[in-house]
Amino acid sequence: GQSLEQPSEVTAVEGAIVQINCTYQTSGFYGLSWYQQHDGGAPTFLSYNALDGLEETGRFSSFLSRSDSYGYLLLQELQMKDSASYFCAVRDGTGGFKTIFGAGTRLFVKA
Amino acid sequence: EPEVTQTPSHQVTQMGQEVILRCVPISNHLYFYWYRQILGQKVEFLVSFYNNEISEKSEIFDDQFSVERPDGSNFTLKIRSTKLEDSAMYFCASSLGRGSYNEQFFGPGTRLTVL
Repeated sequence: GQSLEQPSEVTAVEGAIVQINCTYQTSGFYGLSWYQQHDGGAPTFLSYNALDGLEETGRFSSFLSRSDSYGYLLLQELQMKDSASYFCAVRDGTGGFKTIFGAGTRLFVKA
Repeated sequence: EPEVTQTPSHQVTQMGQEVILRCVPISNHLYFYWYRQILGQKVEFLVSFYNNEISEKSEIFDDQFSVERPDGSNFTLKIRSTKLEDSAMYFCASSLGRGSYNEQFFGPGTRLTVL
């Protein structure tokens, strides 16, 4: 089966850096994605890692270590609008390509 | 910018009734998906659809569920006999491909309330 673990909640102050970790267990692995979801909104794609290392997209970076089955999302220069839920997700290769989401990390950004 | 649209935004139905949720994926996308999210919980994969057939489905997607692409633009999810536990937000998504780098674009969702 598949499972993903991420912290349920993180709080940080505006302007700071925050890291949201994700560990995963899947039968097949085709990469780790991150999605942002504001209250009442739809998930929005943020980043994707298929290979080990760091991917940077503006203020957001994502890291993957396949040997450790671990990744993280790094948010820099936090803004109030970054307050949202962040989901890590894996594309599972068992039986095909379906996306399995973690339970989500609720990020609270304080002034 | 192209986007996925869904109708209705909110559907209220009685237990045992059939509902059809509608989605219009991004026009040049080839892969379509349905997910559900029970309030306060994670997004759960239901089904993916390509070339007019289901490519994979989850354990949640039992015989009560079906999907269809009735024309060149719409993609529908039907729940034959709704149960209280079907109350959730249902998201449609589409992607250009299914390879690992093809991000999925989500629609705004349909909130289904079963009474």
